[in-house]
This record gives sequence, structure tokens and C-alpha cells, in this order.
Amino acid sequence: AQSVSQHNHHVILSEAASLELGCNYSYGGTVNLFWYVQYPGQHLQLLLKYFSGDPLVKGIKGFEAEFIKSKFSFNLRKPSVQWSDTAEYFCAVGETGGGADGLTFGKGTHLIIQP
Amino acid sequence: DAGITQSPRHKVTETGTPVTLRCHQTENHRYMYWYRQDPGHGLRLIHYSYGVKDTDKGEVSDGYSVSRSKTEDFLLTLESATSSQTSVYFCAITAGSTQYFGPGTRLTVL
Repeated sequence: AQSVSQHNHHVILSEAASLELGCNYSYGGTVNLFWYVQYPGQHLQLLLKYFSGDPLVKGIKGFEAEFIKSKFSFNLRKPSVQWSDTAEYFCAVGETGGGADGLTFGKGTHLIIQP
Repeated sequence: DAGITQSPRHKVTETGTPVTLRCHQTENHRYMYWYRQDPGHGLRLIHYSYGVKDTDKGEVSDGYSVSRSKTEDFLLTLESATSSQTSVYFCAITAGSTQYFGPGTRLTVL
């Protein structure tokens, strides 16, 4: 069975600080990897995804993530955060092939950006 | 957002009553999912569907049933709601190996 671990449940940063949120997964096969963001009171939105190829993927709003296969990690980064980045961030894993199986989510990281 | 709507958006009900949540999509996606979101647990898969009348259980299916009689609608039923089912419920579809989520239904069971 797949599992996803997000290292930090709560992160507080000041504006302009750099961000890195950790995500590790456990799965024996090849996977698709995702980061979703949930702004207060809203539904989940896709930030970025990795299926194959270049392990450094760029997403919306200046976010990027790096897939390190040897470490089973997919950490999310942003060089300079803004107050509007305050949200909950979820890492998720799915099996390759785009089949019916759902995603396995981490428990989320609540990010607060202080002005 | 992939044409997904959920109804109702908010519901308060009492323990022991049946509840049905509806997910409707307009883009003919084959795969549909129900998740619940709880603090400290992230999202957990309840049930999913890979076609009309084809459904399967997810990680936390106990106490829930689903039906899909049309491609566009995926219903989640709580046969007898319990307080532990107080949660936010999200429907999702898969498009191009990526899941997209509906706006959610906040359910409170008193």
C-alpha cells in the first residue's frame, strides 16, 4: 500500500522567505506525484505534478518541486513566499497509468505567511 | 475546474438519518471519486467509480455506499449518519492522469 509523509504540519514564515515543504512516499512501483493547494474555504487546486522526465517540475504561482527517486521524495519549493501563499498544502501519490485508483494524500502542511 | 459541482454545499443532519451527497460533472469523465477531509488526516478515499454501475471501495468505505447510474452523476450515501462522519466531502474526477476536485460539501452530523 502507498503512504505519503509530509514532515511539517505547521509552518510559519515571513514574506519573502524561502519555502521548502518535505514530502516522502512509500510505494514499490512507479508513481505519479502531485502537490495540491487549498486556500482557506476553497477546494483543492493542482499546483504541479510529476509523471516522468525532468525531475524538476515547475507549477503555478512560482512553485517548483524536485523528484528524487533514490530518496522517494518530492519536496515543494518557492524562493520567495507571499502573504497570499497562506494555505494548506497536500502532497499526493498515484499509480502510473492513469487508472481508476484514487490518490494517497499526506496529512497536509498548514502554511502561514506573516506580512 | 473540470465542470464539477457538488450538492448540497452545506448540510446539518442528525445521527441516524440517511444522507445523500451528489457529485455532477459535465465533461463525460470516466473516473469519479469521493474523498473525505478531516483535520490531521488529509484526504482519504471513500469510494470510486470507473464507469456507470462500476464502483469500488476505498480506504474508509465503512458506513458509506455509492451509486453511479449515469456518467455525469456519482452519489454518496450515508445510510445512517454518525457523528464520526462529520467532515468535508470532496468529489473528484480524473482527466489526463490528474485528479481535479469539486468545491466540497460540509456535512455536520449532530
